[in-house]
Amino acid sequence: DAGVIQSPRHEVTEMGQEVTLRCKPISGHDYLFWYRQTMMRGLELLIYFNNNVPIDDSGMPEDRFSAKMPNASFSTLKIQPSEPRDSAVYFCASSSTGIGGYTFGSGTRLTVV
Amino acid sequence: GNSVTQMEGPVTLSEEAFLTINCTYTATGYPSLFWYVQYPGEGLQLLLKATKADDKGSNKGFEATYRKETTSFHLEKGSVQVSDSAVYFCALSDLTGANNLFFGTGTRLTVIP
Repeated sequence: DAGVIQSPRHEVTEMGQEVTLRCKPISGHDYLFWYRQTMMRGLELLIYFNNNVPIDDSGMPEDRFSAKMPNASFSTLKIQPSEPRDSAVYFCASSSTGIGGYTFGSGTRLTVV
Repeated sequence: GNSVTQMEGPVTLSEEAFLTINCTYTATGYPSLFWYVQYPGEGLQLLLKATKADDKGSNKGFEATYRKETTSFHLEKGSVQVSDSAVYFCALSDLTGANNLFFGTGTRLTVIP
């Protein structure tokens, strides 16, 4: 298995633009998580899905952020409109019930200028 | 609620020195405990885990023992190498069925030759 695959690895965009981050979890994993990492706030859980259904989105900072999981092999995190304070590394992770522990992707480094 | 408290960094050691990174936790029930490592520019990788009291997790020369009496899971390595320079995260697993991981703030380790 290739692990959790995220794209793009780097994204630079202008303030006000829409940004879409993509994630392909490990096949067979039934949980998918989106995290944001910054120097100031560390790792923050934004949202997680179980069997493609959003379970807890209380970490999503505001309505500009949205996440979808249309099927078991794909998820997106969208920011519209983007702002400079959204600059961070965004990680996707997946796991399977009963295993414990997550497998993380390599992250997307987002810079909003 | 569930939480993890990690030793604050950064930690700087000389090669071949002994490493301890402290981690204590608060949880209801009997969580599973984890150490993750994040190398520069990469996602988090599972380093080791322990699922019940007195279990010892080990990997790549690192060890941690699940101590229920002191609610601790300290990470140790007898002789660090320059390649161990990374950020280390302690985490515990929510056992409510949500499969959540609660992360500490991370401890940055730098090993100098």
